[in-house]
Amino acid sequence: DARVTQTPRHKVTEMGQEVTMRCQPILGHNTVFWYRQTMMQGLELLAYFRNRAPLDDSGMPKDRFSAEMPDATLATLKIQPSEPRDSAVYFCASGFQGRNTEAFFGQGTRLTVV
Amino acid sequence: AQRVTQPEKLLSVFKGAPVELKCNYSYSGSPELFWYVQYSRQRLQLLLRHISRESIKGFTADLNKGETSFHLKKPFAQEEDSAMYYCALRDSGAGSYQLTFGKGTKLSVIP
Repeated sequence: DARVTQTPRHKVTEMGQEVTMRCQPILGHNTVFWYRQTMMQGLELLAYFRNRAPLDDSGMPKDRFSAEMPDATLATLKIQPSEPRDSAVYFCASGFQGRNTEAFFGQGTRLTVV
Repeated sequence: AQRVTQPEKLLSVFKGAPVELKCNYSYSGSPELFWYVQYSRQRLQLLLRHISRESIKGFTADLNKGETSFHLKKPFAQEEDSAMYYCALRDSGAGSYQLTFGKGTKLSVIP
């Protein structure tokens, strides 16, 4: 049963520290999304990659957030420096554009910045 | 720009009562509509999509292009239906695979 894997599941950090969240997409998927989930805003798209190239990162605060795919099996989302308002659940999802398939979500990383 | 609106943040119904979770969208192209569900502290998972025209866990949703709606319905709510429900839209044309989500509706089924 192929699944999107995210690490860590939970992260508590102090304001100002760097945070790195990792995602392993389902093998063979060519599209990766990063979403942030908050009570107020629901699910917001932060970044979107196809074949490892960033297609849309307009939803991401550029001054502190960065998203990369160093290889096809790993996507990262970094926050530096982190702030309390970044506290949220960050979801990664993967899919295959071209096959009309759904997006499969990871279990999320619950980030708390104190 | 595509947009998905779920007007209700929270919906509470009694067990056995009918449920309707509203979803409206704005998009000029040819959209695909989805409903995703998130049970407590679990990952989001696809519930159903409009092109499948199927019933999953008793839920159905019909795409109404005239009203630009894709409401999720179930005739008799069950306690295990309590969850967050997200309506999502995807451009079915070439070149985009991006999913745009509504803000979600929390369904609470009262025993």
